[in-house]
Amino acid sequence: RKEVEQDPGPFNVPEGATVAFNCTYSNSASQSFFWYRQDCRKEPKLLMSVYSSGNEDGRFTAQLNRASQYISLLIRDSKLSDSATYLCVVNRNTGNQFYFGTGTSLTVIP
Amino acid sequence: NAGVTQTPKFRVLKTGQSMTLLCAQDMNHEYMYWYRQDPGMGLRLIHYSVGEGTTAKGEVPDGYNVSRLKKQNFLLGLESAAPSQTSVYFCASRTPGQGAFGYTFGSGTRLTVV
Repeated sequence: RKEVEQDPGPFNVPEGATVAFNCTYSNSASQSFFWYRQDCRKEPKLLMSVYSSGNEDGRFTAQLNRASQYISLLIRDSKLSDSATYLCVVNRNTGNQFYFGTGTSLTVIP
Repeated sequence: NAGVTQTPKFRVLKTGQSMTLLCAQDMNHEYMYWYRQDPGMGLRLIHYSVGEGTTAKGEVPDGYNVSRLKKQNFLLGLESAAPSQTSVYFCASRTPGQGAFGYTFGSGTRLTVV
Protein backbone atom coordinates (compact mmCIF):
# COMPACT_ATOMS: atom_id res chain seq x y z
CA ARG A 1 0.00 0.00 0.00
CA LYS A 2 1.34 3.45 -0.87
CA GLU A 3 2.32 5.75 1.96
CA VAL A 4 0.28 8.58 0.49
CA GLU A 5 -2.62 8.35 -1.94
CA GLN A 6 -4.35 11.10 -3.85
CA ASP A 7 -7.05 11.25 -6.47
CA PRO A 8 -5.10 12.30 -9.58
CA GLY A 9 -8.08 14.16 -11.04
CA PRO A 10 -8.12 16.10 -13.22
CA PHE A 11 -10.35 18.61 -11.55
CA ASN A 12 -11.67 21.19 -14.03
CA VAL A 13 -13.52 23.99 -12.29
CA PRO A 14 -14.78 27.45 -13.34
CA GLU A 15 -13.26 30.60 -11.96
CA GLY A 16 -14.73 31.48 -8.60
CA ALA A 17 -15.61 27.91 -7.71
CA THR A 18 -14.65 26.15 -4.51
CA VAL A 19 -12.71 22.93 -4.87
CA ALA A 20 -11.46 20.41 -2.33
CA PHE A 21 -8.79 17.73 -2.51
CA ASN A 22 -8.28 14.85 -0.14
CA CYS A 23 -5.23 12.79 0.56
CA THR A 24 -4.97 9.63 2.66
CA TYR A 25 -1.88 8.30 4.38
CA SER A 26 -1.25 4.74 5.46
CA ASN A 27 1.08 5.06 8.45
CA SER A 28 -0.51 6.17 11.68
CA ALA A 29 2.94 7.21 12.95
CA SER A 30 3.02 10.07 10.46
CA GLN A 31 3.60 13.36 12.21
CA SER A 32 3.99 16.18 9.72
CA PHE A 33 1.75 17.02 6.82
CA PHE A 34 2.07 19.51 3.99
CA TRP A 35 0.61 20.57 0.68
CA TYR A 36 2.95 21.45 -2.15
CA ARG A 37 2.11 23.04 -5.46
CA GLN A 38 3.82 22.05 -8.70
CA ASP A 39 3.39 23.98 -11.92
CA CYS A 40 3.85 22.24 -15.25
CA ARG A 41 7.48 21.32 -15.84
CA LYS A 42 8.58 23.12 -12.67
CA GLU A 43 9.80 22.05 -9.26
CA PRO A 44 7.43 21.55 -6.31
CA LYS A 45 7.01 24.47 -3.95
CA LEU A 46 5.60 24.50 -0.44
CA LEU A 47 2.02 25.78 -0.33
CA MET A 48 1.18 25.29 3.31
CA SER A 49 1.52 23.00 6.26
CA VAL A 50 -1.38 21.13 7.81
CA TYR A 51 -2.02 21.36 11.52
CA SER A 52 -4.34 19.25 13.65
CA SER A 53 -6.44 22.31 14.44
CA GLY A 54 -6.74 23.22 10.79
CA ASN A 55 -5.18 26.29 9.26
CA GLU A 56 -6.05 28.91 6.73
CA ASP A 57 -4.00 31.07 4.41
CA GLY A 58 -6.14 33.44 2.41
CA ARG A 59 -8.31 31.38 0.08
CA PHE A 60 -6.64 28.13 1.12
CA THR A 61 -7.68 25.98 4.06
CA ALA A 62 -5.93 22.80 5.14
CA GLN A 63 -7.29 20.25 7.59
CA LEU A 64 -6.05 17.05 9.17
CA ASN A 65 -8.14 14.13 10.37
CA ARG A 66 -5.87 11.79 12.31
CA ALA A 67 -8.60 9.30 13.16
CA SER A 68 -9.35 8.69 9.50
CA GLN A 69 -5.80 9.40 8.35
CA TYR A 70 -6.53 11.96 5.73
CA ILE A 71 -5.71 15.55 5.02
CA SER A 72 -7.60 17.98 2.86
CA LEU A 73 -7.05 21.21 0.97
CA LEU A 74 -9.89 23.58 0.20
CA ILE A 75 -9.50 26.37 -2.33
CA ARG A 76 -12.16 29.06 -2.36
CA ASP A 77 -12.84 31.56 -5.14
CA SER A 78 -10.57 29.72 -7.59
CA LYS A 79 -8.33 31.82 -9.81
CA LEU A 80 -6.84 30.93 -13.17
CA SER A 81 -3.44 31.10 -11.48
CA ASP A 82 -4.44 28.24 -9.15
CA SER A 83 -4.13 25.81 -12.07
CA ALA A 84 -1.39 23.39 -11.05
CA THR A 85 -0.79 19.99 -9.52
CA TYR A 86 -1.18 19.79 -5.75
CA LEU A 87 1.02 17.31 -3.93
CA CYS A 88 0.28 15.89 -0.51
CA VAL A 89 3.41 15.30 1.60
CA VAL A 90 3.72 13.27 4.78
CA ASN A 91 6.64 12.74 7.17
CA ARG A 92 7.10 10.26 9.98
CA ASN A 93 8.75 11.77 12.99
CA THR A 94 11.31 8.98 13.18
CA GLY A 95 12.45 9.19 9.61
CA ASN A 96 14.25 11.60 7.40
CA GLN A 97 12.10 10.78 4.43
CA PHE A 98 9.14 12.80 3.22
CA TYR A 99 6.57 10.84 1.25
CA PHE A 100 4.97 12.56 -1.70
CA GLY A 101 1.61 11.75 -3.19
CA THR A 102 1.27 11.50 -6.95
CA GLY A 103 -0.54 14.80 -7.07
CA THR A 104 -3.98 16.09 -7.98
CA SER A 105 -4.29 18.13 -11.16
CA LEU A 106 -6.41 21.27 -11.07
CA THR A 107 -7.39 23.39 -14.04
CA VAL A 108 -9.39 26.55 -13.45
CA ILE A 109 -11.41 27.49 -16.51
CA PRO A 110 -12.31 31.09 -17.44
CA ASN B 1 21.29 33.83 -3.72
CA ALA B 2 20.86 30.98 -6.23
CA GLY B 3 19.31 28.41 -3.84
CA VAL B 4 19.59 24.93 -5.36
CA THR B 5 21.12 24.63 -8.81
CA GLN B 6 20.99 21.47 -10.88
CA THR B 7 23.13 20.76 -13.92
CA PRO B 8 22.48 19.79 -16.60
CA LYS B 9 18.84 20.74 -17.18
CA PHE B 10 18.37 18.31 -20.05
CA ARG B 11 20.27 15.26 -21.24
CA VAL B 12 19.79 12.40 -23.65
CA LEU B 13 21.84 9.27 -23.01
CA LYS B 14 22.23 6.03 -24.87
CA THR B 15 21.66 2.79 -22.98
CA GLY B 16 24.82 1.80 -21.16
CA GLN B 17 26.33 5.28 -21.02
CA SER B 18 27.23 6.89 -17.72
CA MET B 19 26.70 10.37 -16.43
CA THR B 20 26.72 12.48 -13.29
CA LEU B 21 24.08 14.96 -12.24
CA LEU B 22 25.28 17.80 -10.07
CA CYS B 23 23.31 19.51 -7.34
CA ALA B 24 24.76 22.60 -5.69
CA GLN B 25 23.22 24.63 -2.86
CA ASP B 26 24.45 27.86 -1.35
CA MET B 27 22.21 27.93 1.74
CA ASN B 28 24.51 25.94 4.01
CA HIS B 29 21.87 23.22 4.31
CA GLU B 30 22.90 20.00 6.05
CA TYR B 31 20.49 17.65 4.31
CA MET B 32 20.35 16.99 0.60
CA TYR B 33 18.15 14.65 -1.44
CA TRP B 34 17.77 13.21 -4.90
CA TYR B 35 14.27 12.38 -6.13
CA ARG B 36 12.92 11.10 -9.39
CA GLN B 37 9.46 11.97 -10.67
CA ASP B 38 7.57 9.76 -13.10
CA PRO B 39 3.99 10.06 -14.37
CA GLY B 40 1.58 8.41 -11.95
CA MET B 41 4.36 7.63 -9.46
CA GLY B 42 4.95 10.92 -7.75
CA LEU B 43 8.29 11.91 -6.29
CA ARG B 44 10.36 8.97 -5.08
CA LEU B 45 13.50 9.30 -3.01
CA ILE B 46 16.63 7.81 -4.57
CA HIS B 47 19.39 8.69 -2.08
CA TYR B 48 19.91 11.31 0.54
CA SER B 49 22.64 12.77 2.70
CA VAL B 50 22.49 14.21 6.21
CA GLY B 51 25.93 15.74 6.08
CA GLU B 52 29.24 15.98 4.28
CA GLY B 53 30.71 12.56 3.69
CA THR B 54 27.50 10.65 4.51
CA THR B 55 24.90 9.14 2.20
CA ALA B 56 21.97 6.78 2.60
CA LYS B 57 19.59 4.85 0.38
CA GLY B 58 16.07 5.98 -0.22
CA GLU B 59 13.11 4.20 -1.74
CA VAL B 60 14.54 3.50 -5.23
CA PRO B 61 18.38 3.44 -5.01
CA ASP B 62 19.19 0.66 -7.50
CA GLY B 63 21.18 1.77 -10.51
CA TYR B 64 22.35 5.00 -8.86
CA ASN B 65 25.29 6.07 -6.76
CA VAL B 66 25.85 9.33 -4.89
CA SER B 67 28.61 11.27 -3.26
CA ARG B 68 28.73 14.23 -0.89
CA LEU B 69 32.39 15.22 -0.71
CA LYS B 70 31.55 18.87 -0.05
CA LYS B 71 28.65 20.15 2.00
CA GLN B 72 27.29 22.25 -0.81
CA ASN B 73 27.37 19.56 -3.52
CA PHE B 74 25.48 16.30 -3.93
CA LEU B 75 26.27 14.24 -7.01
CA LEU B 76 24.05 11.55 -8.51
CA GLY B 77 25.71 9.04 -10.79
CA LEU B 78 24.32 6.60 -13.30
CA GLU B 79 26.99 4.04 -14.12
CA SER B 80 25.14 2.26 -16.91
CA ALA B 81 21.99 4.08 -17.95
CA ALA B 82 18.84 2.11 -18.73
CA PRO B 83 15.61 3.27 -20.41
CA SER B 84 13.83 2.74 -17.06
CA GLN B 85 15.89 5.65 -15.72
CA THR B 86 14.21 8.07 -18.09
CA SER B 87 12.69 10.54 -15.66
CA VAL B 88 12.78 14.02 -14.22
CA TYR B 89 15.30 14.24 -11.40
CA PHE B 90 14.93 16.79 -8.62
CA CYS B 91 17.47 17.68 -6.02
CA ALA B 92 16.37 19.23 -2.73
CA SER B 93 18.01 20.48 0.41
CA ARG B 94 16.92 21.56 3.85
CA THR B 95 18.13 22.33 7.34
CA PRO B 96 17.32 19.80 10.08
CA GLY B 97 14.50 20.84 12.34
CA GLN B 98 12.66 22.83 9.70
CA GLY B 99 10.87 19.87 8.15
CA ALA B 100 9.24 20.50 4.82
CA PHE B 101 9.23 24.23 5.58
CA GLY B 102 12.86 24.32 4.72
CA TYR B 103 12.72 22.12 1.62
CA THR B 104 14.19 23.89 -1.40
CA PHE B 105 14.06 22.10 -4.73
CA GLY B 106 16.21 22.61 -7.76
CA SER B 107 14.53 23.18 -11.10
CA GLY B 108 15.05 19.59 -12.23
CA THR B 109 16.99 17.60 -14.80
CA ARG B 110 15.06 15.93 -17.61
CA LEU B 111 16.89 12.76 -18.57
CA THR B 112 15.98 10.54 -21.50
CA VAL B 113 17.71 7.20 -22.00
CA VAL B 114 17.30 5.76 -25.47
